[in-house]
Amino acid sequence: DGGITQSPKYLFRKEGQNVTLSCEQNLNHDAMYWYRQDPGQGLRLIYYSQIVNDFQKGDIAEGYSVSREKKESFPLTVTSAQKNPTAFYLCASSGQLNNSPLHFGNGTRLTVT
Amino acid sequence: AQSVTQPDIHITVSEGASLELRCNYSYGATPYLFWYVQSPGQGLQLLLKYFSGDTLVQGIKGFEAEFKRSQSSFNLRKPSVHWSDAAEYFCAVGAHSIYGGATNKLIFGTGTLLAVQP
Repeated sequence: DGGITQSPKYLFRKEGQNVTLSCEQNLNHDAMYWYRQDPGQGLRLIYYSQIVNDFQKGDIAEGYSVSREKKESFPLTVTSAQKNPTAFYLCASSGQLNNSPLHFGNGTRLTVT
Repeated sequence: AQSVTQPDIHITVSEGASLELRCNYSYGATPYLFWYVQSPGQGLQLLLKYFSGDTLVQGIKGFEAEFKRSQSSFNLRKPSVHWSDAAEYFCAVGAHSIYGGATNKLIFGTGTLLAVQP
């Protein structure tokens, strides 16, 4: 079955360490996205990529970095510069058409102490 | 700028009762509108979407939504709620492209948490 896989489901890190969250899709989608979810704030866009080797900042990109070397993969690195990294991170993908809905992974809960 | 407002943070309904979740959007043209549902600790699942045409759209799990341009609303409804419908519901609008029209980059509301009483 096609879908989006995020790993790991839970991640714990010490403050000051960089951490990379994995996102893989086998839906043959061109576009991929990273959202951050905090209680009461809905989903906020971190980065998105419409095509391989290209990506754009979303609304809250500071302290994060991404790469898009393969169509299937869109890893997110949470750097030590991110002031409040503890959150639930959701990866999504979609086709290129404007009316293509997003398909979501099951998320990674990152806790930084 | 585009935005989505879900005015109800938390709603409790009795099983078997009808449900309406409110969503208001701000957008300069005809929007692409979506409703998603999220179970605890999970990703989001698409319930339904509106792009054009018939303003009443049917979705999965017995949900429907009505687009009302005059009220800038896209409220989600279900005639009879089941205990398994307890979840968080998100309304979203396709963001406006600088080249005109909507994109597949979505702007989400803050969500409505639905509790179902037996």
